[in-house]
Amino acid sequence: DAGVTQSPTHLIKTRGQHVTLRCSPISGHKSVSWYQQVLGQGPQFIFQYYEKEERGRGNFPDRFSARQFPNYSSELNVNALLLGDSALYLCASSLDGPRGDVYGYTFGSGTRLTVV
Amino acid sequence: KNQVEQSPQSLIILEGKNCTLQCNYTVSPFSNLRWYKQDTGRGPVSLTIMTFSENTKSNGRYTATLDADTKQSSLHITASQLSDSASYICVVTDYSGGGADGLTFGKGTHLIIQP
Repeated sequence: DAGVTQSPTHLIKTRGQHVTLRCSPISGHKSVSWYQQVLGQGPQFIFQYYEKEERGRGNFPDRFSARQFPNYSSELNVNALLLGDSALYLCASSLDGPRGDVYGYTFGSGTRLTVV
Repeated sequence: KNQVEQSPQSLIILEGKNCTLQCNYTVSPFSNLRWYKQDTGRGPVSLTIMTFSENTKSNGRYTATLDADTKQSSLHITASQLSDSASYICVVTDYSGGGADGLTFGKGTHLIIQP
């Protein structure tokens, strides 16, 4: 059974450009969360979607947006990229609802975004 | 403000030795505590998840403990292997619900196993 899959694995963009990152949760998982992880830090919460509705939003500017599709896959969009957006972007899905209290979260391998 | 502090920041031990990583938290109200292993450039992988009533949980050579009174947790690694080299992240969940995911992440302990 496939785990959480993210694409692309690596990406290099120029300041001011737009980027779209994609995530496919584990089959049967209806919750998807997005995190930004800067080198040497723990993941920072960006968005959470459950049953195609936004359930939570972290402290990120409006340049960041996301959506969840009927098949529960998700996209994270970032507009007007800044150098500081360079990070590992992680997607996580859970089986038991938006908080994953029982089974926890399963993370994808992430997308490494470099903004130059 | 909810916080999770991990120590040490980094640790180097010889292959075959044991080690213990610490996690102190100020998260309220507490729901559960999780330990994740993260290899460089990869996503975190769950090791254990413990609720308020659980004191110890093992996963192979990994044993996590939780003291909900002192708000401390530890992750003990027995007979370390080179593949244990990674960052270990402590994550505490609260019951805050709406607006955020309710998870507070530590910065992790970077563990290096030397042959």
